[in-house]
Order: sequence, then structure tokens, then C-alpha cells
Amino acid sequence: DIQMTQSPSTVSAAVGDRVTITCRASQSISNWLAWYQVKPGKAPKFLIYKASSLETGVPSRFSGSGSGTEFTLTISNLQPDDSATYYCQQYSSYSPWPFGQGTKVEVK
Amino acid sequence: EMQLVESGGGLVQPGGSLRLSCEASGLSLSYFAMNWVRQVPGKGLEWVSAISTSGGDTKYSDSVKGRFTISRDNSENRLFLQMKNLRAEDSARYYCAKDRRGGRDLRGTAGYFDLWGQGTLVSISS
Repeated sequence: DIQMTQSPSTVSAAVGDRVTITCRASQSISNWLAWYQVKPGKAPKFLIYKASSLETGVPSRFSGSGSGTEFTLTISNLQPDDSATYYCQQYSSYSPWPFGQGTKVEVK
Repeated sequence: EMQLVESGGGLVQPGGSLRLSCEASGLSLSYFAMNWVRQVPGKGLEWVSAISTSGGDTKYSDSVKGRFTISRDNSENRLFLQMKNLRAEDSARYYCAKDRRGGRDLRGTAGYFDLWGQGTLVSISS
């Protein structure tokens, strides 16, 4: 099975900063990668698919890049509402569909 | 507004059973593959199970295979997860999640989840 590894586990940044989260796959997944935002007590929110395609309605300060085994999620102009835990998920293989272990973003 | 609402969680003793339900509003589930994903408090997301649009194709994570059964009733616009022989490590918040696509079998699905519910909490303890 393909394993997904995220780094860092936690990042703290100020309003207006740029934050970058890395997600690595244990083998090539082409660009079959999604990103999600999870806040306590709320339904998880789908952000990005195919590594860099922004879901409709997601603010343009979110962007994704990468292919093969290394991917990044970048949040530009960080806002207080961006405080959350972010997860990558690969969908290259047909079952299972694993997530990374998550990266908590704290906005100072 | 499209919405998924889970129910059926609660406190159960080890070895017990529980049936979770996910009701959709604002959309017809019959067009989409569906999934269950769980999150242990303070831990990450774990995919649990998937079901094709017709219900004819299902998949499970190794951690629940043989104990959990996913099913759906498209006429009621509902998804279910029957959980048996529950263990302490099954304690988590369980989310239902909609796949971007449907398919006769799961090979035709997108594999990513564009709509989630808020989850229902399952606690396994004696």
C-alpha cells in the first residue's frame, strides 16, 4: 500500500505570512493528490484535487503543486480563518485511499 | 444546500455493535460512490470503507475488514455502516464522505471526497 507522509506536523505563522506544507508519497502517484482542511466540530472541507486544481469556492490564497512523490500546499496571505489541520490524500491506487498524518496550522 | 448528516454514534461496550447512518439533503446520493472516514480524537484521518453507486462493489480498510459492513439505500438517500465486534481502537468520530463521481464499481470513481458531514462520535468502553 502507498504511504503518505506530511511535514511539518505543526506550523505557526502570522497573519499575512505564507505557509508551505509538504506531502510525500512512498511511490509515484503522478498528480493524483487531494488536500483537505479540518477544523474541530466542523465538516472537513475539500480544497484541491489533481495536486493543483482548486475546488470551486476555495479562496485563491490556497494553491497546490507537485507530481510524482512530492507535493506542496501553500497558503499565501495567511488569515485567522485558516487555523486548521490540513491533510493530503492519494487516490492513485484503487483502494485503500490513505491520508497523510496531518499538519496543524496555527495563526498567531 | 448540499448536506450530509451522520447519526447513530454512542457509547458501546467492547464486542458490541452499532449502526451508523448518513442522510443526504440537497443532492441525490444515487449518482455518487460514498465512503466512511474516521478520526480518533487528536489523531489523523483514516479511510474506513467505500461503496459504489449501486452498492455492488465495496472496499474496507484492513483494520475493519470482516467486522464492518457498508451499505446504502438510494431510495432513502442514506448510507449506512454496520459495525460489529467493536474494539477500543474503533473509538473515533466517523464521517461520511461523498466521492466526486459515481460508478458501477469503485474503479470508476474519483477517489477523492468533495462533501463531508460533521461526523458522529463512537466510543467503545466498558
